[in-house]
Amino acid sequence: NAGVTQTPKFRVLKTGQSMTLLCAQDMNHEYMYWYRQDPGMGLRLIHYSVGEGTTAKGEVPDGYNVSRLKKQNFLLGLESAAPSQTSVYFCASSYISSNTGELFFGEGSRLTVL
Amino acid sequence: AQSVAQPEDQVNVAEGNPLTVKCTYSVSGNPYLFWYVQYPNRGLQFLLKYITGDNLVKGSYGFEAEFNKSQTSFHLKKPSALVSDSALYFCAVREGISGGYNKLIFGAGTRLAVHP
Repeated sequence: NAGVTQTPKFRVLKTGQSMTLLCAQDMNHEYMYWYRQDPGMGLRLIHYSVGEGTTAKGEVPDGYNVSRLKKQNFLLGLESAAPSQTSVYFCASSYISSNTGELFFGEGSRLTVL
Repeated sequence: AQSVAQPEDQVNVAEGNPLTVKCTYSVSGNPYLFWYVQYPNRGLQFLLKYITGDNLVKGSYGFEAEFNKSQTSFHLKKPSALVSDSALYFCAVREGISGGYNKLIFGAGTRLAVHP
């Protein structure tokens, strides 16, 4: 059982380049999320999706776009990477229930923008 | 707006001693509270949660947490620390409103170091 899988795990970009992070979950979860983790700041929500075909902005959405064309996949795109986007990115998913709140996380994607 | 604070960047404890990792929160309604653990180069893993009921909740790996409404705290505890408990611990809060959107607000994290 793979759970939540993120690709790639590592990537180095030059300023201005674009890239896409892929998240795939095999738990049939409705909700999916993209977070970034920076030292001393915990996890901050970039974008999220409450179902196939829907996306919404989180706390720090600027500079990122997302798509949820299939229920199991949630893509995070950087159209023009900036050094401030150097971070570790985590995808997560959860059930639709409002009472659990338990998120299942991928192992992270480390992005460096030079 | 909801928020969560972890006042300690790092907690050091000797193996076999009890440990406490502190968390305080702020929400306008009833809080849903969570603890997650992150081992090196891994994603976060769910440890335990408080939704309602008994103020002392038990979770994975022998951890427990105590909800204190008057102090708006949800401290993580373990009676006897293990070296393998060394990791980064995150407290998270969600406002207990109706609806299915599970947005969580995470604290900055506390690094637990357990020394042999």
